[in-house]
Amino acid sequence: NAGVTQTPKFRVLKTGQSMTLLCAQDMNHEYMYWYRQDPGMGLRLIHYSVGEGTTAKGEVPDGYNVSRLKKQNFLLGLESAAPSQTSVYFCASQPTANTGELFFGEGSRLTVL
Amino acid sequence: GEDVEQSLFLSVREGDSSVINCTYTDSSSTYLYWYKQEPGAGLQLLTYIFSNMDMKQDQRLTVLLNKKDKHLSLRIADTQTGDSAIYFCAERFEGGGNKLTFGTGTQLKVEL
Repeated sequence: NAGVTQTPKFRVLKTGQSMTLLCAQDMNHEYMYWYRQDPGMGLRLIHYSVGEGTTAKGEVPDGYNVSRLKKQNFLLGLESAAPSQTSVYFCASQPTANTGELFFGEGSRLTVL
Repeated sequence: GEDVEQSLFLSVREGDSSVINCTYTDSSSTYLYWYKQEPGAGLQLLTYIFSNMDMKQDQRLTVLLNKKDKHLSLRIADTQTGDSAIYFCAERFEGGGNKLTFGTGTQLKVEL
């Protein structure tokens, strides 16, 4: 029962480096989301996707890009990492029509020096 | 825009009841949720309530919704040490698609 899997779980980057976080779900869910979690600020939506080939901006999209080439995968990219992007990133997936339950991955902790 | 507020910390003794509160601003909420996050883990859905309900009970959990005051609460009866976690309320509102807006989270600490 894999559910939602995020890789990597931990990463340290230098300012200006690029990286990609991968989210994979095996539940055939249509919707996928990337959130960041920061102390005292809860979860903030970065980008989301309502289906394969689609992406949309969330609340805090600047500095991030996403792609959903396959239904099961949702990639989050940082082209030029900044210390302000130090955070814990969570991916979530959601079936099309339900009560709204999100299924979360275990998180990816990113530190930008 | 939508905004969801929670107090950051709550400390209770084992066996007591815990009440975690949440206020939201969007009156067109359709569903409201409580998620639990244990240390080092992702969020898991605890319970949810549809906006036309005012109460929902599920074993030790009781959710109360006051739509007039836009106030949601989660009561945990007989709180145990295993209930120590961060609790997030979230809302899904009409016109927002399937997106959820999360609160800041309340860290519940259960003391012996």
